Amino acid sequence: DTGVSQDPRHKITKRGQNVTFRCDPISEHNRLYWYRQTLGQGPEFLTYFQNEAQLEKSRLLSDRFSAERPKGSFSTLEIQRTEQGDSAMYLCASSLVAAEQFFGPGTRLTVL
Amino acid sequence: QQQVKQSPQSLIVQKGGIPIINCAYENTAFDYFPWYQQFPGKGPALLIAIRPDVSEKKEGRFTISFNKSAKQFSLHIMDSQPGDSATYFCAAAKTSGSRLTFGEGTQLTVNP
Repeated sequence: DTGVSQDPRHKITKRGQNVTFRCDPISEHNRLYWYRQTLGQGPEFLTYFQNEAQLEKSRLLSDRFSAERPKGSFSTLEIQRTEQGDSAMYLCASSLVAAEQFFGPGTRLTVL
Repeated sequence: QQQVKQSPQSLIVQKGGIPIINCAYENTAFDYFPWYQQFPGKGPALLIAIRPDVSEKKEGRFTISFNKSAKQFSLHIMDSQPGDSATYFCAAAKTSGSRLTFGEGTQLTVNP
């Protein structure tokens, strides 16, 4: 399968714990994006990488959130001290041509 | 600020009908307008996209109509099938930028 992959697909954690998600983009895509989607809403932009450089962050990305793309390939999104309001689907997308983004299956986070 | 407004919120049609979903945008700098299809528990899948230099684009049973002066665009699904039952999102972006701005989504049900 040559699409965007995300791991894990589901994560259940207790409030206050740290969680980390991984995204593997389509292999030749140099742009990588993270979005958050809550039930019944459209995805909301979190952050964007071009190669290993993080070029844009949304105001939604509080200081408890950090994202990396160390070698310009896969990316990780970490949430520290999780809160119940962090429960959502976290989506990763990649693109070769700006704006034409292809999404992965998402990681469903539930914070108890 | 909701920059992309989508309607209706839900839509029910009979098999063979032509559902129409509408979106309106505010930012005249947007120059890329995709539609995504999302099934429960899955990531959004890119269906079709249009740029403002054309007024219509057709791919298979999916057609986008675009009205630049009204800042509106719509998705038409010809000969709809029960397998088209999903949530559809419009989005908008600046190709010079990074983020997609999504509408609120339309839950489409196609009855057999």
